[in-house]
Amino acid sequence: QSALTQPPSASGSPGQSVSISCTGTSNDVGRFNYVSWFQQHPGKAPKLLIYDVTKRPSGVPDRFSGSKSGNTASLTVSGLQAEDDADYYCISYAGAKNFVVFGGGTKLTVL
Amino acid sequence: EVLLVESGGELVQPGGSLRLSCVASGFTFGSYEMNWVRQTPGKGLEWVSAISSQSSIKYYADSVKDRFTISRDNAKDSLFLQMDSLRVDDTAIYYCVKGYMVRAFFENWGQGTLVTVSS
Repeated sequence: QSALTQPPSASGSPGQSVSISCTGTSNDVGRFNYVSWFQQHPGKAPKLLIYDVTKRPSGVPDRFSGSKSGNTASLTVSGLQAEDDADYYCISYAGAKNFVVFGGGTKLTVL
Repeated sequence: EVLLVESGGELVQPGGSLRLSCVASGFTFGSYEMNWVRQTPGKGLEWVSAISSQSSIKYYADSVKDRFTISRDNAKDSLFLQMDSLRVDDTAIYYCVKGYMVRAFFENWGQGTLVTVSS
């Protein structure tokens, strides 16, 4: 059982927007502004999409955005494209005892 | 371009040992913290261990503490994970990851190496 809770699946049609939630506690997501999101295609390594809750590494399209409210972080994918069909994982720093915690992943299907 | 190439994964019996390696290129290896992260179909992604740029600080997940040892050789741009007392639930793909654990900032990932623990 993962420490952060993500919905197992999400879906949307091309051009639509979809949001994926990542719920933690006041000891991780709620306490630190260190939430990251990763995209993973089958058979590939995870790719960093968002870090520090809202920041995008260079090369990541601005269709991907992150936010946080209380103990829940969210990833929004706008203008869905076929290549966005993938698994998405969140991760949060959780302090000096638990270090980092991952979400269980969300399978995003582009219809 | 950052490139991380892992090796060393194989089939090993429970209680056995294995040493994973990761060779880095495309950045100044000795200036960055490095990590190992593993992934299983059942448990998903799990951070395993981190090491500071000069090896002065090492962190371990509770699940591997006292069994795994992380190390690095900056002269050879290499990261290692010595895995002892292996258990069936250590079976996973192990990724070498450049980034800062205390920010959950895992910037670059290798392609992974598969470790299978089974009798």
